[in-house]
Amino acid sequence: AQKITQTQPGMFVQEKEAVTLDCTYDTSDPSYGLFWYKQPSSGEMIFLIYQGSYDQQNATEGRYSLNFQKARKSANLVISASQLGDSAMYFCAMREGVDSSYKLIFGSGTRLLVRP
Amino acid sequence: GAVVSQHPSWVICKSGTSVKIECRSLDFQATTMFWYRQFPKQSLMLMATSNEGSKATYEQGVEKDKFLINHASLTLSTLTVTSAHPEDSSFYICSAGGIRPGELFFGEGSRLTVL
Repeated sequence: AQKITQTQPGMFVQEKEAVTLDCTYDTSDPSYGLFWYKQPSSGEMIFLIYQGSYDQQNATEGRYSLNFQKARKSANLVISASQLGDSAMYFCAMREGVDSSYKLIFGSGTRLLVRP
Repeated sequence: GAVVSQHPSWVICKSGTSVKIECRSLDFQATTMFWYRQFPKQSLMLMATSNEGSKATYEQGVEKDKFLINHASLTLSTLTVTSAHPEDSSFYICSAGGIRPGELFFGEGSRLTVL
C-alpha cells in the first residue's frame, strides 16, 4: 500500500502568490517524521522542512510552512510569496520512527511552475 | 558545504561492465546510509539500506547480486552496479541521517548511462 500520496502531478502559481502542495500519508506507527524536499533540474535534493509526529506546532522555515493535520494524516507544504526560482519538483517523504536508521519513503512528487 | 558527497557525479559505461559509486559522509559518522534510484520524471525509489559492518537490506524487487552494496566504514558506502545494461541507466542518489530526527542529508547524485 502506498504510504505517501501526492495527488498533484503539476501546479502553476503566479509569482509572489502563495501555493499549497498536498501530501497525505498512512502509518500506524505513532512516531514518524515528515519531510519536504525540492529537486531542481540539476537533481540535487534540497531539504525544505521537517515535522515530527509529536511536534505540537506546525514547522516553519522562512517562506516554507508545513500544515500538519495529524487526524487527517496530511502534511501540506505552503510556499508563500512564490519566486521564479521555486520552479522545481517537490517531494513529500515520510520516515516511520525518528531514528536516522529508519528509511525514508517518497511520494510521487509535484512539479511546480512559477509564472512571472 | 555538502555533508554527504557522491562520486562520480556522472558516468558513462559500456554494457556488461561494472560501475562503482561512492557515498561519503564528510563530517559525521553514518552507521546507516540509503541508496535510491530515480528514473526520469519519477520519484526516488529506495533500493537498499546500507548498514556499516553488516549486510545491506534490499527492498523487494531489487537484485542484490546486481547492486552490490558495501559499507565498510562509518563514512563510506559504495554501490556497485554489476554487468550494467542500458535499463540500469538512472540517477542514483544516497542519503545518510544525522543525529537530530530531522537531519537527513543527500548526496549530489550520480547519473549513470549505460551504452
